Amino acid sequence: GNSVTQMEGPVTLSEEAFLTINCTYTATGYPSLFWYVQYPGEGLQLLLKATKADDKGSNKGFEATYRKETTSFHLEKGSVQVSDSAVYFCALSETSYDKVIFGPGTSLSVIP
Amino acid sequence: DAGVIQSPRHEVTEMGQEVTLRCKPISGHNSLFWYRQTMMRGLELLIYFNNNVPIDDSGMPEDRFSAKMPNASFSTLKIQPSEPRDSAVYFCASHQGGETQYFGPGTRLLVL
Repeated sequence: GNSVTQMEGPVTLSEEAFLTINCTYTATGYPSLFWYVQYPGEGLQLLLKATKADDKGSNKGFEATYRKETTSFHLEKGSVQVSDSAVYFCALSETSYDKVIFGPGTSLSVIP
Repeated sequence: DAGVIQSPRHEVTEMGQEVTLRCKPISGHNSLFWYRQTMMRGLELLIYFNNNVPIDDSGMPEDRFSAKMPNASFSTLKIQPSEPRDSAVYFCASHQGGETQYFGPGTRLLVL
């Protein structure tokens, strides 16, 4: 079945450090891929997405590229801020009306 | 748009009591999802509906849990009888194609 694997956290970085959160997936078809972010006390919200191979999703300085050959969708940001502290979820969906499969989440703490 | 609305935001109850969580999806969205989030188990999909019809309830933990969607603008998740291990944050999410799910703020449930 479909699944999503993420690097385990928690991840602690200093402000302005480079961030990478690894994500790999298993899917039978050609899924769309997502990164969601959950700030403390809130629900998840979409951060970025990519719908086909080699697409790059980007938002708020975060980027992720859909790599079909390595079945990966790693999240990167060149310079993190304290306000980026949150839990990040990688996810996939194979059809528009099917459920979204979420990874376990990676907690990020950015310290001044 | 007001986004996905959930009520109550917080619920404290005693073991054995009935608990009803409510969700109003975004107008025009035809898929609705119920999730449960705990530290131990992460984010779990309990059930999802498409056009008010339950599509997959395989995540519902046991018969004590039930969910309904009587119309396109309202859904309930009921736990009867509640147990301490049901304590969690319960999220409702909706979408209309495009695969992006929109999450509500969640209901924090504590069963004593």
